[in-house]
Amino acid sequence: GDSVTQMEGPVTLSEEAFLTINCTYTATGYPSLFWYVQYPGEGLQLLLKATKADDKGSNKGFEATYRKETTSFHLEKGSVQVSDSAVYFCALASGGGADGLTFGKGTHLIIQP
Amino acid sequence: ETGVTQSPTHLIKTRGQQVTLRCSSQSGHNTVSWYQQALGQGPQFIFQYYREEENGRGNFPPRFSGLQFPNYSSELNVNALELDDSALYLCASSLRGTGETQYFGPGTRLLVL
Repeated sequence: GDSVTQMEGPVTLSEEAFLTINCTYTATGYPSLFWYVQYPGEGLQLLLKATKADDKGSNKGFEATYRKETTSFHLEKGSVQVSDSAVYFCALASGGGADGLTFGKGTHLIIQP
Repeated sequence: ETGVTQSPTHLIKTRGQQVTLRCSSQSGHNTVSWYQQALGQGPQFIFQYYREEENGRGNFPPRFSGLQFPNYSSELNVNALELDDSALYLCASSLRGTGETQYFGPGTRLLVL
């Protein structure tokens, strides 16, 4: 079945540091890929997405590129802020979406001033 | 544009009881999916409703059931509650045929004692 693996946290960085959160996936066919962010006590917010190979999703300074050859969708940001502290989830959708989203376990990001 | 809303926000039940959670989808969306998020884990897909019928289901027992209404709102019902059902229940809405992008509500936190 489909699966998503992302780096374990917590990841602790200083403000203005470069961020990478690794995500790899296993899926049949050509899934759509997503990054969601969850702030404390809240639901999930869509951060960015990519629907086909070599697509780059971007939003709020975050970027991720759909790499079919390495089955990866790593999240990056050039300069993190304290307000980026949250839990980040990598997810995929395949089979036309009727099977729902498959999520990774989440990576807790802590940005220190 | 109204986002996804869920009620109640918190709920406490005892083992063996039944619970109903409610979700109103985002304006213009016709598909609703439900997820269970245990503490420290990624969301797990329960099922999806489209045109008032169950359209896909994850690995959850039949005591998890649902409904979708003509206005696309939805209910999740859980019978014979178990301690392991304690979790955050997330509802997500989407528009069929638009790349499976799902938008999440804030969730209902269920505690089973």
